[in-house]
Amino acid sequence: DTGVSQDPRHKITKRGQNVTFRCDPISEHNRLYWYRQTLGQGPEFLTYFQNEAQLEKSRLLSDRFSAERPKGSFSTLEIQRTEQGDSAMYLCASSLDRAAEAFFGQGTRLTVV
Amino acid sequence: SQQGEEDPQALSIQEGENATMNCSYKTSINNLQWYRQNSGRGLVHLILIRSNEREKHSGRLRVTLDTSKKSSSLLITASRAADTASYFCASHQLGANSKLTFGKGITLSVRP
Repeated sequence: DTGVSQDPRHKITKRGQNVTFRCDPISEHNRLYWYRQTLGQGPEFLTYFQNEAQLEKSRLLSDRFSAERPKGSFSTLEIQRTEQGDSAMYLCASSLDRAAEAFFGQGTRLTVV
Repeated sequence: SQQGEEDPQALSIQEGENATMNCSYKTSINNLQWYRQNSGRGLVHLILIRSNEREKHSGRLRVTLDTSKKSSSLLITASRAADTASYFCASHQLGANSKLTFGKGITLSVRP
C-alpha cells in the first residue's frame, strides 16, 4: 500500500495523560502536514514539515503539542496533559510539491474522557 | 481560521440528478482543491484547479474557478448513492508554504 497511513486509528485516553500519534507519508513525498478536525467542521492546519524541518506551526498548536519528523520520513504528533477540548480527528497528509494535491491518511480519532 | 465557505451546507438529491456545490474564499490563491470525506474517514482528493484555469473535468466531476469573484463550483453529474459524503473545498493561498485552508464542508445525500 502506498498511501498515507496513520496509527492508531482510535485512541481513548483519560484527561491529563500524554498521547502520541504516528504518520507514515507516501514515500517520495517530502512535505508532511498535520490537521485537526472537529465534528461538523473542516480540517484546520496544525503544522507542516518539509523533509525533517518544521517550517510552520499554527497558533492552534499550544505548547502541549509537539511534532517531529526525524530523518524526514515518518512523523509523530504528541499531546501532553490532554484536555477534553483535544478530542478530535487528527489527520496527516503528504504532498510531493509545494502547490500539489495533498493525500490524506484515515486519521486518528482521539477521545479524551 | 477557515477561509472558505461552502454553499449549500447540506444538499439532498435523487440518484441520477446533478449536484452543484459552491465555494467562496477570501484571499488570492495558487490553486483550489476539492476533497470528499465519507463519515469518520480520511479525505480523498478529487480535483485540483490552478488559479490560471477556469474549468476542469475529471470523470463525472466538473470544477469551475472564478478568481474575480473568489469562488469555485463542483458539479457532480449523474449522481449515485455512493456519492453520499461530505465535500470540502480547500484553497492554497498565494505565498503560503503549502498548507491548505478548508471550508466547513457540504453534506451531500444521494437518495437511491
